[in-house]
Amino acid sequence: QSVLTQPPSASGTPGQRVTISCSGSSSNIGDNTVSWYRQLPGTAPKLLIYSENQRPSGVPDRFSGSKSGTSASLAISGLQSEDETDYYCAAWDDSLSGWVFGGGTRLTVL
Amino acid sequence: EVQLVESGGGLVQPGGSLRLSCAASGFTFSNYWMSWVRQAPGKGLEWVANMNQDGSEKYYVDSVKGRFTISRDNAKNLVFLQMDSLRVEDTAVYYCASGNYFDNWGQGSLVTVSS
Repeated sequence: QSVLTQPPSASGTPGQRVTISCSGSSSNIGDNTVSWYRQLPGTAPKLLIYSENQRPSGVPDRFSGSKSGTSASLAISGLQSEDETDYYCAAWDDSLSGWVFGGGTRLTVL
Repeated sequence: EVQLVESGGGLVQPGGSLRLSCAASGFTFSNYWMSWVRQAPGKGLEWVANMNQDGSEKYYVDSVKGRFTISRDNAKNLVFLQMDSLRVEDTAVYYCASGNYFDNWGQGSLVTVSS
């Protein structure tokens, strides 16, 4: 059972906009920044979004993040077939004095 | 180009020890937090440990406290994870990651704990 809660799956059609949610508590998302990662099969995760809505260089602006209270969301617009993979959220947890991840969401492009 | 290369994984019996290494290049290593994150087969990501630039701050997930030790050598751009009293449930791919937000990741090193 992960400290951060993500839906196990999400789906959309090419060109559509999809969002993936990440729910936490006051000790993690409520009090600290959220980051998002994408992991292609058999490869290492890659940072997509940090500090809620900042994109590292090279990440397309199709990817955006937001946070409200103890929940955060990753939005992917202009969905492409190569977006079909796993996505994880993460945040520092003050109560645990450690990082916590969501369980991951597998995005399917229909 | 940032590169992180893990080594030291392998098969070990329960109760045994392993030491993972991560060689960093392409950035000023001594300026960055370093972390270890693991992924059990078919499962999600789990943060294991991290440490600050000079090693004065170290944090661990509860399940490895007292068994794992993170350390670094800033002169050689290396970060280590000493894993003792290994358990079957420690079986995973272990990634090292740099930066405040796991900005960059290595390719991972597989640790299998089995009799």
